[in-house]
Amino acid sequence: DGGITQSPKYLFRKEGQNVTLSCEQNLNHDAMYWYRQDPGQGLRLIYYSQIVNDFQKGDIAEGYSVSREKKESFPLTVTSAQKNPTAFYLCASRKDEENYGYTFGSGTRLTVV
Amino acid sequence: GQSLEQPSEVTAVEGAIVQINCTYQTSGFYGLSWYQQHDGGAPTFLSYNALDGLEETGRFSSFLSRSDSYGYLLLQELQMKDSASYFCAVRGAAGNKLTFGGGTRVLVKP
Repeated sequence: DGGITQSPKYLFRKEGQNVTLSCEQNLNHDAMYWYRQDPGQGLRLIYYSQIVNDFQKGDIAEGYSVSREKKESFPLTVTSAQKNPTAFYLCASRKDEENYGYTFGSGTRLTVV
Repeated sequence: GQSLEQPSEVTAVEGAIVQINCTYQTSGFYGLSWYQQHDGGAPTFLSYNALDGLEETGRFSSFLSRSDSYGYLLLQELQMKDSASYFCAVRGAAGNKLTFGGGTRVLVKP
C-alpha cells in the first residue's frame, strides 16, 4: 500500500545539535509539506515543496531547513538556531487536486534533552 | 494573513449530533477542509468544500458559506471512536497550502 513514512518516531536532541527528520512517500504526489504541532494546538506550516528542487518557506521556517532532491523524499533539518524545537512534526503530501486532501505521515516526536 | 477560529472542546453522548463551527479570515480562498486526529496519531482527511452548500459523507457532513466566511462539520450518530480532535483548514490564495485552525477536541461519553 502507498503511504508516507516518517522516521524516527521519537527523537531526542541535545542543545546545539542539528537533527534531520526523514519523510518518504510512494504515492507519486508532487507536493510535500512539513507541519509542526505543539500540545493542544493546531498545525503550523514550516516548509513546503510543490516540485523537485524547489521549496518555499511556510509561516515558521526560522531555524529549519529542507531539501527536495527526489520526488519521494522531503527531509527536514531542525538546526541549533531553532530555540524551541520540542514538538510533534508531521509530514504530508497532497492527495488529490479535486478534493485537496492531504495524506499525513505518522509523525516524529522531537524532544530536546 | 489567514486565521481560523473554532471551539476548543465539545462533549456529547453516544448517538448524539455535534456541530463544529469554523470561521475564517483569509486574503484569498479556494476551499475549506476538515481533518480528524486521534491522540498521538496523524490527521486524516474528512472532507473538502470549495462551493457553498452541504457535502455529506456517511455520518459526517460539512457545510460552507463563503459569503459568511463560515463552515461547519456535522457529526451524526456519534460513536466512541469519534472522540478525537477535528481541524478546519483553509486553502488560500498564496500557493497550494493549507492553514489550520487550532482544533476542536470532541469527547464522546457513553
